Amino acid sequence: LAKTTQPISMDSYEGQEVNITCSHNNIATNDYITWYQQFPSQGPRFIIQGYKTKVTNEVASLFIPADRKSSTLSLPRVSLSDTAVYYCLVGGRTGRRALTFGSGTRLQVQP
Amino acid sequence: ETGVTQSPTHLIKTRGQQVTLRCSSQSGHNTVSWYQQALGQGPQFIFQYYREEENGRGNFPPRFSGLQFPNYSSELNVNALELDDSALYLCASSLAGTSGRNEQFFGPGTRLTVL
Repeated sequence: LAKTTQPISMDSYEGQEVNITCSHNNIATNDYITWYQQFPSQGPRFIIQGYKTKVTNEVASLFIPADRKSSTLSLPRVSLSDTAVYYCLVGGRTGRRALTFGSGTRLQVQP
Repeated sequence: ETGVTQSPTHLIKTRGQQVTLRCSSQSGHNTVSWYQQALGQGPQFIFQYYREEENGRGNFPPRFSGLQFPNYSSELNVNALELDDSALYLCASSLAGTSGRNEQFFGPGTRLTVL
C-alpha cells in the first residue's frame, strides 16, 4: 500500500484559502487519491477523490500533477467549522478496499 | 436514508473482559469495515465483511473477531481486553461492486476505555 506524508498541523484564518499537500511517491497506476475530514469524536467524512489533474466539488478542489507523486487539497475561504483533521489516502476505488489512514493534518482556523 | 449508527456510545471495561460493539450499516450498503483509532492517531483497519464473509483483515490478533448479519448489520467482538485496546472504534459501510468513488460512510464510533 502506498504510504502518504502530510504536514502534522497547519494554522489559518477565516476567509483564507488553505492548501494541504500530501506526498505519495509510491502510488500505483490504479490507485486513486482520496481525502477525508474528521472532527473530534466523530467518524471521518469523505471530501473528494481524484486520479489526475484537477477535481472540484462543492467543498474543495484536488490538484494532482502529472507524475501523481503528490496531491494538494484546496479549501477555499475556510471558516471556523473547517477546523478538523484532514487525511490523505491512496488506494483502490471501490467500496471493498480497506482505507489506510496516516496521521493526518490538523487544521486550526482562527477568527 | 439512515446513516451508519453504532452502539453503545461509550463503554468502560476492565482488563481480561470481553466486549461486543454493534453497527448498523447505511441502507443499501453490503460492506462493513471496522477501524480502531487511538488518541491522536489515524484510524487503523481491523477487518471488513462483505455479504457475511470476512473480506480482509488488518494487523490485529485473533481475539478481535466479527460478524455480519443478513441485514448487513455487524458486530465487533474483542476478547481478553488489554489496556491498549482503549480507543475509538469506528464502523464504516459502503456499497461494493460499483465503479464509483471509494467512499466509506463512517458511524460516530464507540469510545472504549479499558481499566
